[in-house]
Amino acid sequence: NAGVTQTPKFRVLKTGQSMTLLCAQDMNHEYMYWYRQDPGMGLRLIHYSVGEGTTAKGEVPDGYNVSRLKKQNFLLGLESAAPSQTSVYFCAAGHLTLYEQYFGPGTRLTVT
Amino acid sequence: GNSVTQMEGPVTLSEEAFLTINCTYTATGYPSLFWYVQYPGEGLQLLLKATKADDKGSNKGFEATYRKETTSFHLEKGSVQVSDSAVYFCALGITNAGGTSYGKLTFGQGTILTVHP
Repeated sequence: NAGVTQTPKFRVLKTGQSMTLLCAQDMNHEYMYWYRQDPGMGLRLIHYSVGEGTTAKGEVPDGYNVSRLKKQNFLLGLESAAPSQTSVYFCAAGHLTLYEQYFGPGTRLTVT
Repeated sequence: GNSVTQMEGPVTLSEEAFLTINCTYTATGYPSLFWYVQYPGEGLQLLLKATKADDKGSNKGFEATYRKETTSFHLEKGSVQVSDSAVYFCALGITNAGGTSYGKLTFGQGTILTVHP
């Protein structure tokens, strides 16, 4: 039982390049979330999903897109990376009623 | 809106010292409160939670009491260990009557704790 996994663990991009971060969960949770973590700012919600085929904007959605084609996967895309998107990205999965979230190990992204 | 404010760190303690990390919140609706811990190089893990006023959450020697009158959820531990060195996040989730909060959490900025032998 792996919980929440993220791919890749590290990535360096040049400005303007695109990439997709993959999040997978094996807990059968309905809710999934993408956060970014920056020093001194805690975690900020980028996008979230309340079920297969649904997505919604969080606090800082600009420059990112997401898709949830399968219940167990939640993809985060950067179409044209910018240095301001240098951050650590965390995916989480959440239970419908318990308000507890289970986090992946994170992806450290650097945009030069 | 909803917000969480944590005491500024970093916090540095000697082993067996008493720990308090302050957390206060503002919220609309009926918040549940959480403490998450992030060990170096890892994702966040739920440490403890409280879902209504006066509830006390506890785990691994850590405790926090949901104080509605002071809108606080301070984290305490009587005797810290080197292995407690981590970043601690206070968070709230709103349960509203319409059920439309979708489990979203609002996090504080995190407090770095370092415990020396």
